Amino acid sequence: DSGVTQTPKHLITATGQRVTLRCSPRSGDLSVYWYQQSLDQGLQFLIHYYNGEERAKGNILERFSAQQFPDLHSELNLSSLELGDSALYFCASSVGAGGGLGEETQYFGPGTRLLVL
Amino acid sequence: KNEVEQSPQNLTAQEGEFITINCSYSVGISALHWLQQHPGGGIVSLFMLSSGKKKHGRLIATINIQEKHSSLHITASHPRDSAVYICAVGRRDDKIIFGKGTRLHILP
Repeated sequence: DSGVTQTPKHLITATGQRVTLRCSPRSGDLSVYWYQQSLDQGLQFLIHYYNGEERAKGNILERFSAQQFPDLHSELNLSSLELGDSALYFCASSVGAGGGLGEETQYFGPGTRLLVL
Repeated sequence: KNEVEQSPQNLTAQEGEFITINCSYSVGISALHWLQQHPGGGIVSLFMLSSGKKKHGRLIATINIQEKHSSLHITASHPRDSAVYICAVGRRDDKIIFGKGTRLHILP
């Protein structure tokens, strides 16, 4: 158990809908990272937040948005869902600001499996 | 061309064999990570490297910054090592790029 929690574990929804994925980092960790893993694209970095501020942005679509709240939990909002958004969404946390994955070990949550029908 | 290339894509070996998985990258990095993804989907960070070599139990990771290459070695492999091993690099612009992974299957 990494200490990172994600809810829900599974989510089934329809095209055009909007969903919110939630991540609680390990106690004391200030950084949260979001990743998408699909069968055809593999793992992709979406976005990194540090202590409430956006730190780096990767291949995140405009239909997706994220934020980190004062209690350090984070939410990833996916809207106007398409079939291709079906994937496993991971969050990870680390203690400090890091530098991409560069400078700190990241602890991964169990993931949220999203199926868009 | 992908910025991070892993080889081999798939590897099947007998229990006890010495395993090597390679990762080459083409960008400037702040560090490189090796991740392990279990069949159930969970991801664990094995190593973080910016230079040299690290060892943890039967796992050894090396990196050559000049050659932009890293290797992950498993000594005395065991069926429980069966997983997907993923190389990831942290670019200097704070973005993270992943390799496509190496699927390892250790036969008893």
